[in-house]
Amino acid sequence: QKEVEQDPGPLSVPEGAIVSLNCTYSNSAFQYFMWYRQYSRKGPELLMYTYSSGNKEDGRFTAQVDKSSKYISLFIRDSQPSDSATYLCAMSANLPGTASKLTFGTGTRLQVTL
Amino acid sequence: AAGVIQSPRHLIKEKRETATLKCYPIPRHDTVYWYQQGPGQDPQFLISFYEKMQSDKGSIPDRFSAQQFSDYHSELNMSSLELGDSALYFCASSSNWEGSHEQYFGPGTRLTVT
Repeated sequence: QKEVEQDPGPLSVPEGAIVSLNCTYSNSAFQYFMWYRQYSRKGPELLMYTYSSGNKEDGRFTAQVDKSSKYISLFIRDSQPSDSATYLCAMSANLPGTASKLTFGTGTRLQVTL
Repeated sequence: AAGVIQSPRHLIKEKRETATLKCYPIPRHDTVYWYQQGPGQDPQFLISFYEKMQSDKGSIPDRFSAQQFSDYHSELNMSSLELGDSALYFCASSSNWEGSHEQYFGPGTRLTVT
């Protein structure tokens, strides 16, 4: 079983819909949580970074972390066709003296249709 | 804003050849990570460097080696290439001295082994 589980989709929504993307994880050492957007054959683009449990909002994006349930979410409001991409959740532990690697979910492919 | 630079962007090699991938981190970032992403897969951590010292090691084959230089750029050396090494190779950088765990990815190098 992977440390980070993410529904691969594909997820198809109409333009303007609210999108909900989710990941669960099993490693209690994970303390830093990120969401990346990746267009085909491009590098992952950092969308959101959170540390503590709770919500963080940035424009149309809201990241939610529930450490007690080991569950994180990304909400996209007023989705646009340009949001069509693969969304990867990623997380890392805080290991003193090391550069903490990211462990990724498998990514959810999102298609926003006109 | 300056981003992570990777070169070359595309590389075609034959089996048993060697390849060198280069990564230039965001200015003032002291930490570099290398990831490998196969088709339809999430990025897998290979190796990281903090302040020019190897920090963490993932599923990197013994045929691969890497280092970080005094100007913080990094090179990933791959020898005895195999068909299975064909993948996207991403470099990411972060600023550990600022206590930041956010990793910013480059555009990637697409390696094709024939």
